[in-house]
Amino acid sequence: KAGVTQTPRYLIKTRGQQVTLSCSPISGHRSVSWYQQTPGQGLQFLFEYFSETQRNKGNFPGRFSGRQFSNSRSEMNVSTLELGDSALYLCASSGGTGSGELFFGEGSRLTVL
Amino acid sequence: QKEVEQNSGPLSVPEGAIASLNCTYSDRGSQSFFWYRQYSGKSPELIMFIYSNGDKEDGRFTAQLNKASQYVSLLIRDSQPSDSATYLCAVAPSGTYKYIFGTGTRLKVLA
Repeated sequence: KAGVTQTPRYLIKTRGQQVTLSCSPISGHRSVSWYQQTPGQGLQFLFEYFSETQRNKGNFPGRFSGRQFSNSRSEMNVSTLELGDSALYLCASSGGTGSGELFFGEGSRLTVL
Repeated sequence: QKEVEQNSGPLSVPEGAIASLNCTYSDRGSQSFFWYRQYSGKSPELIMFIYSNGDKEDGRFTAQLNKASQYVSLLIRDSQPSDSATYLCAVAPSGTYKYIFGTGTRLKVLA
């Protein structure tokens, strides 16, 4: 069974640009969450989608947005990039076991110059 | 006050010893508690989850939950060098998948 796949794995952008990250969850998982990980703040919750609906949202500015498609694949977008957006963005899928376990992808490392 | 607090470490223990990792949380409505392990350069992976007060054992790992005191701990018995990693505590409020993570405790097991 394939794991959570995130693309791209690495990317470099400049301030003011926008970026779109993609996540394909484990087959059968309908919940997809996104987290930002930085050395100082750790893992911070961005949002969670279930069946194309955003169920939960973290405390991030409106520049951060996401969506989920009917096949459960998800994308997140960050507009007007700032230096502080440099981070590892982790996608996690969940579903089926009832434990609430999150299965993480390898992440997309974003560097903003 | 952070919602989920962990000592950042590093916590150094000799091989074969018991490593004790602690986590406190602020939301009394939290229902689900998780311990994840993250190796350097890798993504987090689940070690254990616990929902009820008391102890839960899985192999060399024991999770302990005390909701009255709002803390959850992880004990690693017979620690191995391969256990050296950052351990993340995660807490989920009732009925949501909005997991709140601590910043993690770095564990070093010395051979």
